[in-house]
Amino acid sequence: GEDVEQSLFLSVREGDSSVINCTYTDSSSTYLYWYKQEPGAGLQLLTYIFSNMDMKQDQRLTVLLNKKDKHLSLRIADTQTGDSAIYFCAEKEGDNQGGKLIFGQGTELSVKP
Amino acid sequence: NAGVTQTPKFRVLKTGQSMTLLCAQDMNHEYMYWYRQDPGMGLRLIHYSVGEGTTAKGEVPDGYNVSRLKKQNFLLGLESAAPSQTSVYFCASSPPDRVYGYTFGSGTRLTVV
Repeated sequence: GEDVEQSLFLSVREGDSSVINCTYTDSSSTYLYWYKQEPGAGLQLLTYIFSNMDMKQDQRLTVLLNKKDKHLSLRIADTQTGDSAIYFCAEKEGDNQGGKLIFGQGTELSVKP
Repeated sequence: NAGVTQTPKFRVLKTGQSMTLLCAQDMNHEYMYWYRQDPGMGLRLIHYSVGEGTTAKGEVPDGYNVSRLKKQNFLLGLESAAPSQTSVYFCASSPPDRVYGYTFGSGTRLTVV
């Protein structure tokens, strides 16, 4: 079945850039998403990218999509301590009723002052 | 605008007890989902619903039942709780439009002892 993989941990210094990577298997995925989960909270949608796009930029966030390699990345510029959270990559199955999202394991980002 | 509300937020059950988790959304979304979150495993889909009166199994449905009698509510039941069901449970909803991701509730932390 479809699978989404992420590394579990990333540690950066405040002010540096963070890059969180994700790979997925479903070549028919239509949309790919990044969610942020702060401690004790639910997931909040950060951004999404349509599968026919290569890049999307939204303020400090840049999403890159390499469809050939099925690789998605999230770059956070000028990372702040408030960016410390778990980041989930998710793909929407290309041909499915119900709009189901398949999530990665989540990458825990730790930002050190 | 409450979004997605989950009750209760915390619960401790003894093995063999039953309980129902309630999810309510006020956004008139057609689709609703129940996920469980376990460390290092991301979010796994338990059951979902594409409309009032309809439900379907997700990736890990065993030990759970669901009902969607009203469009705004999606109930998750545990008939005989087991320690393996200790987890954080998230409800989410979305409209049928493909572009949108989910709106998540804040989660229910369930411990089965």
